[in-house]
Amino acid sequence: DSGVTQTPKHLITATGQRVTLRCSPRSGDLSVYWYQQSLDQGLQFLIQYYNGEERAKGNILERFSAQQFPDLHSELNLSSLELGDSALYFCASSPSSGSNQPQHFGDGTRLSIL
Amino acid sequence: GNSVTQMEGPVTLSEEAFLTINCTYTATGYPSLFWYVQYPGEGLQLLLKATKADDKGSNKGFEATYRKETTSFHLEKGSVQVSDSAVYFCALSDRGDNQGGKLIFGQGTELSVKP
Repeated sequence: DSGVTQTPKHLITATGQRVTLRCSPRSGDLSVYWYQQSLDQGLQFLIQYYNGEERAKGNILERFSAQQFPDLHSELNLSSLELGDSALYFCASSPSSGSNQPQHFGDGTRLSIL
Repeated sequence: GNSVTQMEGPVTLSEEAFLTINCTYTATGYPSLFWYVQYPGEGLQLLLKATKADDKGSNKGFEATYRKETTSFHLEKGSVQVSDSAVYFCALSDRGDNQGGKLIFGQGTELSVKP
């Protein structure tokens, strides 16, 4: 058990809809990262928050947004969903934003767009 | 930009065989390097890490050495078990300006160990 909790485990929805994925980091971790895992793109970094503020951004679509709340949990919002958004979305956390610190991953949310 | 390249899988071995999964990287500066393992239906688990040149990371019989001269971080294990069957990911932590600590992953190598 990594200590990182993601909900829900599975989401099935239709094109054009909007969903919210939730992540609770390990106790004491201030940084939260979001990654997308798909068959064609592999594991891709989306966005990082550190102590409530956006710290780094990857190839995140404009239809996607995220935030980190004062209790340090984070949400990833995906809107105007397309078939190609079907993927496994992982959240990871680390104590700070240092690059030498390992990230601990949740079990992911599997998003299926019908 | 920074990138990681892993040997393609799947890799199929018999139990107790020697394992090598090759990983090379391209990076400016001095990234930290990691190996993660993903078992079916689960998230990624940190297997080992190395933060500077010539560091050796080790865990559960797995080892990898940070080789700056060859920009490599190959994963090895002397005797694999059926329970090692999983997908293995090599990753580097980007230290560029305003990059935080985002991870850049290789494409993953699937390992299947037969009894």
